[in-house]
Formats: sequence, C-alpha cells, structure tokens
Amino acid sequence: DVKVTQSSRYLVKRTGEKVFLECVQDMDHENMFWYRQDPGLGLRLIYFSYDVKMKEKGDIPEGYSVSREKKERFSLILESASTNQTSMYLCASSTGMAAKNIQYFGAGTRLSVL
Amino acid sequence: GESVGLHLPTLSVQEGDNSIINCAYSNSASDYFIWYKQESGKGPQFIIDIRSNMDKRQGQRVTVLLNKTVKHLSLQIAATQPGDSAVYFCAENSHNTDKLIFGTGTRLQVFP
Repeated sequence: DVKVTQSSRYLVKRTGEKVFLECVQDMDHENMFWYRQDPGLGLRLIYFSYDVKMKEKGDIPEGYSVSREKKERFSLILESASTNQTSMYLCASSTGMAAKNIQYFGAGTRLSVL
Repeated sequence: GESVGLHLPTLSVQEGDNSIINCAYSNSASDYFIWYKQESGKGPQFIIDIRSNMDKRQGQRVTVLLNKTVKHLSLQIAATQPGDSAVYFCAENSHNTDKLIFGTGTRLQVFP
C-alpha cells in the first residue's frame, strides 16, 4: 500500500514564525502536492513538484514556498506565518503516469497560527 | 476540532438504504475521474475511478456513473453502512496534466 506520511498531525505556531511542514512518501512517486483544505472551499492546490528540485505554483502559492531535495520528501514552508494560514494542510503523491493519476494523501496537518 | 464539512451539502440516509452522491464537473476535456472518501480527522482516500470512454464502473458496493453529455458524475453506495459516513469528493483530470481538480464535497450521514 502507498504510504504518505506527514510529520505532524497538529501544530500551533505564532504569527511571524517560520513553519516547516514535512511529507514523505514510500512509493517512489514522481509527483508530490501540497493542498490546504478550508470549510466550504474544498482542496486548493498550493504547490506541486514533478521531480526532485522541480516545483510549480498551484492556485494559491502566496505566502508559501516548497522544497524537494529528495524524491520521497516534499516540504512546505511558511516563511512568516499569518493567522489566515490557519488551516488543514494535506500532502499527496502520484505516479506521474498521465494514464492513471490517482493521488494518495497523508492524514493531514492541522495548523493553528495565533 | 473544526470539521472540514461545516458548509457542505449533506445527504442523510438510513442504514441499509442505497446512497447516491452527485457531482458536476466543469471541463469538457476532462477524461479521468476519481471519487475520494474523507473521514473525520483523516486525509482523502481513493474509492473508485472511471475513464471518459466508460459510462459505468463497479467496485465493491460502489458504482460510478458518468454522463459526459451533461458533465455529471455520480457515486452510488449500496446498502449504506455507518462506516460510510464521511465527506465524499469527486475529482477530474485531463490527459495533459497531472493535476486534479476537486469538487467541494458532500457529507454523507448514515443513521440507524
């Protein structure tokens, strides 16, 4: 089974702090994704990566950056956390074969910025 | 904690009944569709998928129907059980991208 692991289930941070959210997948997937999930808004794509050291902006990249130094790990960085970044963050991975694009998700990190 | 489904449309069904969850998709070029289930406090889990060259696909207790003419997708759950209570999302994909576009979801509540 595919396993996507997010390093923290719950995080509480203060405004202005630098925050790292880590995600690791064990299926040698090419693609990795970061989403945020808010009530009534569904899943919104922040950033994604097709390969090591490659990244592309999603629909809401402002205030975020990412890092992919190894194939299995994709990090989301909040350079200076703000209260409007309080949300559920979900990481996902997929094979990158366009014929079958199932994304497999981690359990999520619920971030509260005070 | 705060529920992801506070503002979602809700479908309430009695245990044992069949459930039908609907989804309208936006892109006529989408050629692959997925249904996900998200239980409280967990990430979305893959349930079933379907390609645009099919109208129907069946899994264990679940069936997905695709109507390309009206850009509509549905998920049917037979003999709904309490463990089916969750938020259900549809997602669409077009062949030239690895990104999925997600619907906002429907909350399914199963009562005894």
